[in-house]
Amino acid sequence: QKEVEQNSGPLSVPEGAIASLNCTYSDRGSQSFFWYRQYSGKSPELIMFIYSNGDKEDGRFTAQLNKASQYVSLLIRDSQPSDSATYLCAAYSSNTGKLIFGQGTTLQVKP
Amino acid sequence: DTGVSQDPRHKITKRGQNVTFRCDPISEHNRLYWYRQTLGQGPEFLTYFQNEAQLEKSRLLSDRFSAERPKGSFSTLEIQRTEQGDSAMYLCASSSTAYEKLFFGSGTQLSVL
Repeated sequence: QKEVEQNSGPLSVPEGAIASLNCTYSDRGSQSFFWYRQYSGKSPELIMFIYSNGDKEDGRFTAQLNKASQYVSLLIRDSQPSDSATYLCAAYSSNTGKLIFGQGTTLQVKP
Repeated sequence: DTGVSQDPRHKITKRGQNVTFRCDPISEHNRLYWYRQTLGQGPEFLTYFQNEAQLEKSRLLSDRFSAERPKGSFSTLEIQRTEQGDSAMYLCASSSTAYEKLFFGSGTQLSVL
C-alpha cells in the first residue's frame, strides 16, 4: 500500500464546473496535508494546506480533511482551462520528518 | 529573487560519469529537502537536512548518491557512476520548521545517455 494514494486520472471537467480531487493516506501519524499544483515541465507549486479536520477555503479552492477516514480532498470551483495541471497531494508526519507525495491527479478543464 | 534556486537547470551526461547539483534554499529556511521525480509520478523523497545535519536518507538511495549541506546554507547532491535509471527531475525544496510548507526550486533535469 502506498503511503499517499491518488487516482492518476485524467479527470476531465467542463469550464465553470467544480473539480473534486481526492487523496487517502496510510500513516495515522500524519499531521499536515498539502496540495501542490504542477504544470507540465515545471516544479510543484503550493496551493493549499490543511492541518485540522474540516474545510479550509481560499478563493476558488477548498481543502477538506477527515483524519478518521484518512482522507483529504481538494475542490476547485468555477474551473478554468488554466487550472489544467497535475495536482499532488502530500502528507507530513513529524514522526518521520518527511513530506510524502502521492502520484498526482491530472485535471483537464475543457472550454 | 528570494525563492529556491537550483543549478543547473538541465544536465546531460554519459553513463558512468559523476554529476553534482546545487541548491540554494530560501535564506530563512533551515530545512532543505531533495526529491526525485520521474514522468507520471509524484516527487520521491531522497533526503533532508535540518541546518547542516542530514536527518534522513531514503533507503531507495544507493551508495552512489550523496548530499551535503556544509554550512547549513546551500546543498549539493552528487551522483557517482550515473546509470540510465538515474534520469529524472531532481527537485530541491526548503521550509522553516513550522508547519512544513515546502517551497520548491525549478529542478534539475538529468538525462543519462
